[in-house]
Amino acid sequence: AQSVTQPDIHITVSEGASLELRCNYSYGATPYLFWYVQSPGQGLQLLLKYFSGDTLVQGIKGFEAEFKRSQSSFNLRKPSVHWSDAAEYFCAVAHFWGDSSYKLIFGSGTRLLVRP
Amino acid sequence: DGGITQSPKYLFRKEGQNVTLSCEQNLNHDAMYWYRQDPGQGLRLIYYSQIVNDFQKGDIAEGYSVSREKKESFPLTVTSAQKNPTAFYLCASSAGRGAVTQYFGPGTRLTVL
Repeated sequence: AQSVTQPDIHITVSEGASLELRCNYSYGATPYLFWYVQSPGQGLQLLLKYFSGDTLVQGIKGFEAEFKRSQSSFNLRKPSVHWSDAAEYFCAVAHFWGDSSYKLIFGSGTRLLVRP
Repeated sequence: DGGITQSPKYLFRKEGQNVTLSCEQNLNHDAMYWYRQDPGQGLRLIYYSQIVNDFQKGDIAEGYSVSREKKESFPLTVTSAQKNPTAFYLCASSAGRGAVTQYFGPGTRLTVL
């Protein structure tokens, strides 16, 4: 069955430090992959997506992610974290559900805390 | 500005009552979705609709109902049959058939008293 695993429930980094959030997926075909960010009590904002082509994708707010097929991973990175990046981050894979329909399968999320 | 609006932001319900959550979009998207989010969990799909007057059950549809009478609107009713309705509910939309990327509204937090 298709699934997404985010192994880290919480991550704490110091402001200005680099960040890597891990995401592993299980999907039979070429995956469509996403990272979303959610601030407390808010909806999800799309950070970036991978469909095909260059395996390093750039997103908003200085985030990037690298697709590694051999490792079934799509890790999110940022070279220098800002206090405003504190939020919950969700990785998702699009599952083709027949009749040209897709649904998103989400990981359980990683909460990022930023130390001043 | 184009976007998705959900109302109300907070909703309180007594046990045994039905309640309806609103979702409106002005993105001219064909497809709309409802997700449920519980603490420490990812999002789970409740219902989705690809076109007006058509909708399909998602993974956790029991105790919920929807309608899609207009392209812009996709209300969700949480019925008294839903055993544990306290959760954060998120509405999303995508351009339509074949479109993968979904865009989310701000959410409604439902609390059953």
